[in-house]
Amino acid sequence: GAVVSQHPSWVICKSGTSVKIECRSLDFQATTMFWYRQFPKKSLMLMATSNEGSKATYEQGVEKDKFLINHASLTLSTLTVTSAHPEDSSFYICSARDLGRGREAFFGQGTRLTVV
Amino acid sequence: QQQVKQSPQSLIVQKGGISIINCAYENTAFDYFPWYQQFPGKGPALLIAIRPDVSEKKEGRFTISFNKSAKQFSLHIMDSQPGDSATYFCAASTGGGFKTIFGAGTRLFVKA
Repeated sequence: GAVVSQHPSWVICKSGTSVKIECRSLDFQATTMFWYRQFPKKSLMLMATSNEGSKATYEQGVEKDKFLINHASLTLSTLTVTSAHPEDSSFYICSARDLGRGREAFFGQGTRLTVV
Repeated sequence: QQQVKQSPQSLIVQKGGISIINCAYENTAFDYFPWYQQFPGKGPALLIAIRPDVSEKKEGRFTISFNKSAKQFSLHIMDSQPGDSATYFCAASTGGGFKTIFGAGTRLFVKA
């Protein structure tokens, strides 16, 4: 199947700093990528939809100035958590669609963010 | 976000038994219903998916049953194995934005 790679797998940052998470589609072009947040033992909550070359669409309640999403190419989307605080600590997961493979969305392995 | 309701929250099954997880939805615009399996610390992986024009789909030990009129669908795992112990999510998406909405998840534990 198609492969989506996230980097880093885990990151620890100090409160007040910014951290960038990358999501790459390795063997297909992803016109649309999605970013999710998952708290321990909870479901995946959709944060935003990112389309290549255009601004991301954020879900209600998600701060667009705190979670900056860039989808500059057909294989790369980035999520930057700005001025991170301990409450931003979470598991962040991206997914991508390959238009040539129908409706299936392929998920990355996730990034564990810990803000100290 | 439009909701997908999933039950039970957790499930314990004996090895060789059948695991059944149920989901319900309200939005009739949903037209694609995947099931995902997630292990701790990993991203979800697609198990099987169904469209509303089909009442049942089987792939190996996994079967989705779909009831369009009741707006319900379920996952059956036959001959459950300890390696199936994971969290299972039902999900739904629409043909427009294709964003996927997840159910709350079911933690399955298969006893050896």
